[in-house]
Amino acid sequence: AQSVSQHNHHVILSEAASLELGCNYSYGGTVNLFWYVQYPGQHLQLLLKYFSGDPLVKGIKGFEAEFIKSKFSFNLRKPSVQWSDTAEYFCAVKRSNYQLIWGAGTKLIIKP
Amino acid sequence: GAGVSQSPSNKVTEKGKDVELRCDPISGHTALYWYRQSLGQGLEFLIYFQGNSAPDKSGLPSDRFSAERTGGSVSTLTIQRTQQEDSAVYLCASSPGGAGTYNEQFFGPGTRLTVL
Repeated sequence: AQSVSQHNHHVILSEAASLELGCNYSYGGTVNLFWYVQYPGQHLQLLLKYFSGDPLVKGIKGFEAEFIKSKFSFNLRKPSVQWSDTAEYFCAVKRSNYQLIWGAGTKLIIKP
Repeated sequence: GAGVSQSPSNKVTEKGKDVELRCDPISGHTALYWYRQSLGQGLEFLIYFQGNSAPDKSGLPSDRFSAERTGGSVSTLTIQRTQQEDSAVYLCASSPGGAGTYNEQFFGPGTRLTVL
């Protein structure tokens, strides 16, 4: 069965630190991958997605993610975090045209 | 334009009571989704609507859960005879929809359900 693993449930960083959140998936076919973010008190929103092509994907607010097929990974990165990046981050893999399989999420806290 | 809205934002109920959760999707979005998010877990798919029909109800946890959508717009998720394990945040999302391609899902704020 398809699954998505986010290994870090809580991450605490200081401002300006670099960020990498891990995401591993299990799926044997063509993958479409997503990162969603939920800022405190706000709705879930799409951060970035990978469908095909360049495995390094740029998203909003300076985030990027790299699809590494051989490692079944889609890690999220940001070179220098800000306090406003405090949020919960979810990785997801597309199962069908409408269904996503979600990771458990990573709560990121940025200390000012 | 307006986003996805859900009501109520919070619902506290007693075990055994029925509850109805409402979702108003973005106008014009044909696809609508219900998810459940329990503490410390990712989103759990419940049901998907394309228009008023639900091609996939496979995620509904039991026959106490049902959902309908009318007029290709508003959807209601009903939980009968609520149990404590039903406590969770119930999220609704909508997308421009249409089979054959993935469309970004836009999420509502969720309804936090607490069953005492």
